Amino acid sequence: GENVEQHPSTLSVQEGDSAVIKCTYSDSASNYFPWYKQELGKGPQLIIDIRSNVGEKKDQRIAVTLNKTAKHFSLHITETQPEDSAVYFCAASNEYGGSQGNLIFGKGTKLSVKP
Amino acid sequence: DSGVTQTPKHLITATGQRVTLRCSPRSGDLSVYWYQQSLDQGLQFLIQYYNGEERAKGNILERFSAQQFPDLHSELNLSSLELGDSALYFCASSVGRESSYEQYFGPGTRLTVT
Repeated sequence: GENVEQHPSTLSVQEGDSAVIKCTYSDSASNYFPWYKQELGKGPQLIIDIRSNVGEKKDQRIAVTLNKTAKHFSLHITETQPEDSAVYFCAASNEYGGSQGNLIFGKGTKLSVKP
Repeated sequence: DSGVTQTPKHLITATGQRVTLRCSPRSGDLSVYWYQQSLDQGLQFLIQYYNGEERAKGNILERFSAQQFPDLHSELNLSSLELGDSALYFCASSVGRESSYEQYFGPGTRLTVT
């Protein structure tokens, strides 16, 4: 089955700097890759996603890149702000796979943005 | 606010007991997913329902069961509870059947088994 590795587990940056979180996946048939942000005491919030027919997607200060050959995808946050501090999760799924509705999540990255 | 609601917010119960967690999906969404989040296992997919029918199963224990009702709300039943079942339980919803539709998570139910 699919396995998603996420690095780093913790990341501390200065306000205004960029942050990059990387994930690798094992199933070459995976074709959907969302990123979620989870603040303390809240549910995961979808912040951006990318499908396998696209190499890069950007939404304001957030961008995601996908390298299908290497089976890895990354989240880039530019001009970080203290409110970006949260745990970020990557996920992968194969909508045509045996477990169909199954998002496989990475273990998460705790991002701290210092003012 | 994702539009997905879950009740109760917190639940404390004893080992061996049975509890029911409730989820209402976003308006218009037909799929409901249940996830378990624990410190050691991370976020794990349990089960998906689409328009009242079970569509996909993940790492759901036999002691756990779920259903989706005609009004599309869903319930997750956990029985013969063990200490290890203590976790956050999230419900998510999406408009379509496939996992490539955006899933929106509720605020979760924190279950504590003592």
